[in-house]
Amino acid sequence: EVQLVESGGGLVQPGGSLRLSCAASGFTFSGYWMGWVRQAPGKGLEWVANIRQDGSEKYYVDSVKGRFTISRDNAKNSLYLQMDSLRVEDTAVYYCARGSGVYVYWGRGTLVTVSS
Amino acid sequence: QSALTQPASVSGSPGQSITISCTGTSSDVGGHNYVSWYQQYPGKAPKLMIYEVNNRPSGVPDRFSGSKSGNTASLTISGLQAEDEADYYCSSSTSSSTYVFGTGTKVTVL
Repeated sequence: EVQLVESGGGLVQPGGSLRLSCAASGFTFSGYWMGWVRQAPGKGLEWVANIRQDGSEKYYVDSVKGRFTISRDNAKNSLYLQMDSLRVEDTAVYYCARGSGVYVYWGRGTLVTVSS
Repeated sequence: QSALTQPASVSGSPGQSITISCTGTSSDVGGHNYVSWYQQYPGKAPKLMIYEVNNRPSGVPDRFSGSKSGNTASLTISGLQAEDEADYYCSSSTSSSTYVFGTGTKVTVL
């Protein structure tokens, strides 16, 4: 069974940093693109970033370019999202998902709250 | 990377058919066939309902169908059922190798 479990969310002040993790199991992690999608409270879905199987290609939504970094560790079956210079508008539930942009499998999400 | 445009809400009676539109540009919907549709219940992760414009993943009822014309994609739910009441989002690949979601549509079963 495919499982994606996010962790690392929490409360952080504007300008701060947070690192999200996604533990994958039930499939060959190194064989798939992976991505992050977020959803602000009461708002719609926003695609954030994705990463190729070997980490050689990474793409980001404009609003996080230069502030967020997606990475992966295939030996640990883990996906990461390093979030720096956080803004109030980054407050959202962050979902980890399998695929380059068409997502069959999703995690349950982890809440990131940026507030002073 | 502006969000794709969807109607805020669509409603229908049980058994009826409804269609949700998703309008983008030639840089996303119009220029790519990686158009997907997701269903989301409150507090839950989204579920893929349609991929590559008109393909259904295993387990998705054939009441759900997708199409595309120009810069607009559409999701049609035939034989509307109470459990179809949810939020629906379209998504498309873009010419920048990124993806973009639609603004979302709340479907209400009357």
